[in-house]
Amino acid sequence: DIQMTQSPSSLSASVGDRVSITCRASQSISTYLNWYLQKPGKAPKLLIYAASSLQSGVPSRFSGSGSGTDFTLTISSLQPEDFGTYYCQQSYSDPGFGPGTKVDIK
Amino acid sequence: QVHLVQSGAEVKKPGASVKVSCKASGYTFTTYGISWVRQAPGQGLEWMGWVSAYNGNTNYARKVQGRVTMTTDTTTSTAYMELRSLRSDDTAIYYCARDTYSSTWYAFDYWGQGTLVTVSS
Repeated sequence: DIQMTQSPSSLSASVGDRVSITCRASQSISTYLNWYLQKPGKAPKLLIYAASSLQSGVPSRFSGSGSGTDFTLTISSLQPEDFGTYYCQQSYSDPGFGPGTKVDIK
Repeated sequence: QVHLVQSGAEVKKPGASVKVSCKASGYTFTTYGISWVRQAPGQGLEWMGWVSAYNGNTNYARKVQGRVTMTTDTTTSTAYMELRSLRSDDTAIYYCARDTYSSTWYAFDYWGQGTLVTVSS
């Protein structure tokens, strides 16, 4: 099985900050990597697919990069509604999720 | 617009079975697959498996293989997930999600609201 890790596990940032979250796969997954945001009590929401493609309706402050084993989700200017837990997910083989990164707004 | 509406919360005893439904609307049901993802209290997301709404083909995660059955009813655009021999560690919120894909990517673009399944004696 492909193992996914994320760092940091949590972070606090101020509105307007640039925030980056890293995801690493235990083997190469090309660009079969997606990012989701889950708010408390809600279902996850797809933000980025294929490592760098922005899902329809998602604000352009979100961007993704990477290929192979190392990936990054960047929020260019953090907004209050961006709090929640971010998950990466590989779809190279049977889907698997990273452990999540909890983002709090200072 | 696309909606996935799941059945209500369930409380089951250990050893029992549960069947969760996921009714789709707003798109051609047979064009997409449905995956099931669960989340134990305070934990992360775990993919359980996938069912094709086109032909009923399935692919289950090893962890639940043998205890899970995923099916679809194309006449009602509804997907089902049945989990048998329930244990306390099956207590979780169960989500259905629509699979979307091309030749170079695969993701879950719409999700149901989740169904809490509690396993307790």
